[in-house]
Amino acid sequence: DVKVTQSSRYLVKRTGEKVFLECVQDMDHENMFWYRQDPGLGLRLIYFSYDVKMKEKGDIPEGYSVSREKKERFSLILESASTNQTSMYLCASSLGRGKDEQFFGPGTRLTVL
Amino acid sequence: GQNIDQPTEMTATEGAIVQINCTYQTSGFNGLFWYQQHAGEAPTFLSYNVLDGLEEKGRFSSFLSRSKGYSYLLLKELQMKDSASYLCAVRDWGDYKLSFGAGTTVTVRA
Repeated sequence: DVKVTQSSRYLVKRTGEKVFLECVQDMDHENMFWYRQDPGLGLRLIYFSYDVKMKEKGDIPEGYSVSREKKERFSLILESASTNQTSMYLCASSLGRGKDEQFFGPGTRLTVL
Repeated sequence: GQNIDQPTEMTATEGAIVQINCTYQTSGFNGLFWYQQHAGEAPTFLSYNVLDGLEEKGRFSSFLSRSKGYSYLLLKELQMKDSASYLCAVRDWGDYKLSFGAGTTVTVRA
């Protein structure tokens, strides 16, 4: 079974803080993704990576950055957290070929005060 | 994938059938996915269609018409545990990423 884990289930931070969200997958997947999910808006892609040290912007990259130094780990960084970044953050990974379905982690509910 | 539309909510009775429609517009279609997401949990993969027609997997079936930009997910013999949000997602040709619809919340009543 593919397992995608995220460093925290719940996180509370203050405005202006730097926030790190970590994601690890254990199935040697090529692709990794960061989404945020808000009521009525669905899943929106922030950034994705198709290889180590490679990254591409998704639909809403503003205010975020990412890092992929190792194949299994993909980090999302909020350089200076703001209240409008309060959301559920979901990490996903996919093999990179064939059907290429995405497997999701359990999510991190981030609250920025 | 762009402009993915699906109904916001649907309600059905235990044992009944529910059909969730999804329409999309894309410049180069390369697959449509359905995911199930229970409240507070991660989405889990349900089905994948890349060619026209019906894919059946137990109580769940998914249909695709590429020429109409249309798919549906059919849930048969509904159970209480099927109460969840169902997400339609489309992949463009040559792309790794998916574009998701806002999701359809299905409530199953006794």
